[in-house]
Amino acid sequence: NAGVTQTPKFQVLKTGQSMTLQCAQDMNHNSMYWYRQDPGMGLRLIYYSASEGTTDKGEVPNGYNVSRLNKREFSLRLESAAPSQTSVYFCATLGRPGTPNTGELFFGEGSRLTVL
Amino acid sequence: AQSVTQLDSQVPVFEEAPVELRCNYSSSVSVYLFWYVQYPNQGLQLLLKYLSGSTLVESINGFEAEFNKSQTSFHLRKPSVHISDTAEYFCAVTLGAGGTSYGKLTFGQGTILTVHP
Repeated sequence: NAGVTQTPKFQVLKTGQSMTLQCAQDMNHNSMYWYRQDPGMGLRLIYYSASEGTTDKGEVPNGYNVSRLNKREFSLRLESAAPSQTSVYFCATLGRPGTPNTGELFFGEGSRLTVL
Repeated sequence: AQSVTQLDSQVPVFEEAPVELRCNYSSSVSVYLFWYVQYPNQGLQLLLKYLSGSTLVESINGFEAEFNKSQTSFHLRKPSVHISDTAEYFCAVTLGAGGTSYGKLTFGQGTILTVHP
């Protein structure tokens, strides 16, 4: 049972390059989220998706786009990377309402991105 | 918008000593509160949560937290820590209930707990 899988785990980009972070879940959860983690700032929500085909902005969406093509996958795209986007990115899914996992986020292991 | 303050960035303790990690939030409306733990090079894992009911919540590995509405706090405590508790701990809050709202969290800055032998 893989849970939430993120690829790649590490990536180095040059300023202006583009890339996509992939996230896939096998937990059959509806809601998925992308967060970024920076030292001393905790985690901040970038985008989220309540269900297949829907996406909404979080706290820090500028410079990012997302796609939720099916229930399992939620990707995060950087169209023109900037050094300020150097961070660790986490994908997460939300436990189903009405179950013991209500309100619980299940996180992937993270993707560490460096933009030079 | 709500905010979360974790008052200590680092907490060193000796094994078997008690520990308290402090968390305060700013909101005048109902909140839902969480503690997540992150071990090195891993994602976050839920430690415990307050959604409703008893204001004292406990985890399976001996941690507990108490929701104090008057002091807007949700401090995390453990009476006796182990080496394996060394990790970074995050307090988080959301105002919304149900749907996607439980996943739209505002996190504190994190507290690194280091347990020494």
